[in-house]
Amino acid sequence: AQTVTQSQPEMSVQEAETVTLSCTYDTSENNYYLFWYKQPPSRQMILVIRQEAYKQQNATENRFSVNFQKAAKSFSLKISDSQLGDTAMYFCATRQGGSEKLVFGKGTKLTVNP
Amino acid sequence: DSGVTQTPKHLITATGQRVTLRCSPRSGDLSVYWYQQSLDQGLQFLIQYYNGEERAKGNILERFSAQQFPDLHSELNLSSLELGDSALYFCASSTIAGPSETQYFGPGTRLLVL
Repeated sequence: AQTVTQSQPEMSVQEAETVTLSCTYDTSENNYYLFWYKQPPSRQMILVIRQEAYKQQNATENRFSVNFQKAAKSFSLKISDSQLGDTAMYFCATRQGGSEKLVFGKGTKLTVNP
Repeated sequence: DSGVTQTPKHLITATGQRVTLRCSPRSGDLSVYWYQQSLDQGLQFLIQYYNGEERAKGNILERFSAQQFPDLHSELNLSSLELGDSALYFCASSTIAGPSETQYFGPGTRLLVL
């Protein structure tokens, strides 16, 4: 079974600084997909970034980038130039090739301080 | 705005009652997913429909059922409600079915069972 572990329940960062959120996962599959979703206080789930396991290049979306270490089954999210609007819960999720459901971690609550 | 709509936004009801949550996927999306977010269980996949047919089932209780209609909107029916059913229920949609597809989430329906 797939499992996703986010070991940091809470983190904080100063505005304009960089922060990295950790995620490890367990899967027996070779074909899978990884996602980071953001859930601000409004409770909306917003896709931040996705990574295909077969791609070696790390995904990047503006200030958001990932460090995908396939052998270590690690998928961390780096937020550069943090903004107050980045304050949210961040969920790491995985989806195996043979399944369409998303399996989520417990989340990391990120607070960006002015 | 993801393009996925859910109604109602909030629902307060009593134990033993039955409620229906409604989801309209993004225009053109054929696949609909239901997730439950609770404090103790986190985000869990309940069920998926694709073009009117049930495609995958997760941790959905027998008291819960869902369907997808010809116009592709979906409804999640929760019956014999218990206090523990209080949660945020999300609907997500994707263009087609498949693990590579990105799921876009609606704003959720917050259910409170008293």
